[in-house]
Amino acid sequence: AQKVTQAQTEISVVEKEDVTLDCVYETRDTTYYLFWYKQPPSGELVFLIRRNSFDEQNEISGRYSWNFQKSTSSFNFTITASQVVDSAVYFCALSRSGGYQKVTFGIGTKLQVIP
Amino acid sequence: KAGVTQTPRYLIKTRGQQVTLSCSPISGHRSVSWYQQTPGQGLQFLFEYFSETQRNKGNFPGRFSGRQFSNSRSEMNVSTLELGDSALYLCASSGGAKEQFFGPGTRLTVL
Repeated sequence: AQKVTQAQTEISVVEKEDVTLDCVYETRDTTYYLFWYKQPPSGELVFLIRRNSFDEQNEISGRYSWNFQKSTSSFNFTITASQVVDSAVYFCALSRSGGYQKVTFGIGTKLQVIP
Repeated sequence: KAGVTQTPRYLIKTRGQQVTLSCSPISGHRSVSWYQQTPGQGLQFLFEYFSETQRNKGNFPGRFSGRQFSNSRSEMNVSTLELGDSALYLCASSGGAKEQFFGPGTRLTVL
């Protein structure tokens, strides 16, 4: 069975601070995909990243970066110099090979960035 | 380019009724996925369609069904509604690249 654990249910940071959202996953598959999504207060989910299990390179996109470590089954997400617009619920997710099939989500981490 | 659209945005039904939700993906996208979001269960995968074929289904009872048309538009149907079906239903489309685009969702309330 697949499982995604986001141990941090809520995090508050002051604007311009860096923040890391943790994600630990469990799967017996050797090929799988990991995702991060953002859900702002408006409710619409926003796709942030998809990473397959064979690609362990860290990825950076602007102020966002992702650290994938297979050895610890973690796929952590860091926001550098946080902004108020980053306030949202962030979901980590896992799927079997093929991308968007049978996606398993974590419970989400609510991030509040205080001005 | 128009985004993913979902209709209706809000819906109120009573127990025992059935409901059909619609999703129009981004033009050219052939993959459509459906998700249910509730406060208790969080986000859960319902099903994914590609070129009119259901490729996978999540752990939901047979009351939940869906289909995809030749123009890639998708519908999901819930029959014999239960109180626990009250949720935000999200649809997403993908064009084969890594990125996935979500619609605004349909908020279903079952009374």
